[in-house]
Amino acid sequence: EPEVTQTPSHQVTQMGQEVILRCVPISNHLYFYWYRQILGQKVEFLVSFYNNEISEKSEIFDDQFSVERPDGSNFTLKIRSTKLEDSAMYFCASSEDSVRSGNTIYFGEGSWLTVV
Amino acid sequence: AQSVSQHNHHVILSEAASLELGCNYSYGGTVNLFWYVQYPGQHLQLLLKYFSGDPLVKGIKGFEAEFIKSKFSFNLRKPSVQWSDTAEYFCAVSLNTGFQKLVFGTGTRLLVSP
Repeated sequence: EPEVTQTPSHQVTQMGQEVILRCVPISNHLYFYWYRQILGQKVEFLVSFYNNEISEKSEIFDDQFSVERPDGSNFTLKIRSTKLEDSAMYFCASSEDSVRSGNTIYFGEGSWLTVV
Repeated sequence: AQSVSQHNHHVILSEAASLELGCNYSYGGTVNLFWYVQYPGQHLQLLLKYFSGDPLVKGIKGFEAEFIKSKFSFNLRKPSVQWSDTAEYFCAVSLNTGFQKLVFGTGTRLLVSP
């Protein structure tokens, strides 16, 4: 079964540093997402991306966050100046078409970010 | 804003026991409903989903869920659990209009003892 893959699986970074989390969505999928889960809390939506632009973002996704699809396969999440509260598991996900059309969102294994 | 509640945070069962995990959502419009499972060290996997039609939905690994619109509920059930069902289970909702995001519940950690 095709999978969403993410790298790195775990990253430790110093507060204030920039971090890039990378994802390779499933190849024929058109919608891409980032979610995050702070330890002990809910999985939270960050951003959705379609047709090379952000289609929706949450209030968490402020100016320190950005997403990019630099080529035909990768989808990245950049955190410009990390804060302690950015420590979380970040999940990349993709879907073939929109969720409201009945399509399933497939998740990657997550990238665990620790900010120290 | 829509929200999802999972009332059981931790459930411990013996093998062969029956399972029911509660999920309630708050939104008055048309919703799509999902149950995801996360086995230890693995990614979130879809167990089942409801979009329309028969409110009793069957998923993988013997799981099923029933959408009861009047109760805003989408409870997950399995008649006989196995040790391999030990995992965290997440209920999620997406609106059937406009938005692409899933809103997740807090998750339920299930431990099945052999």
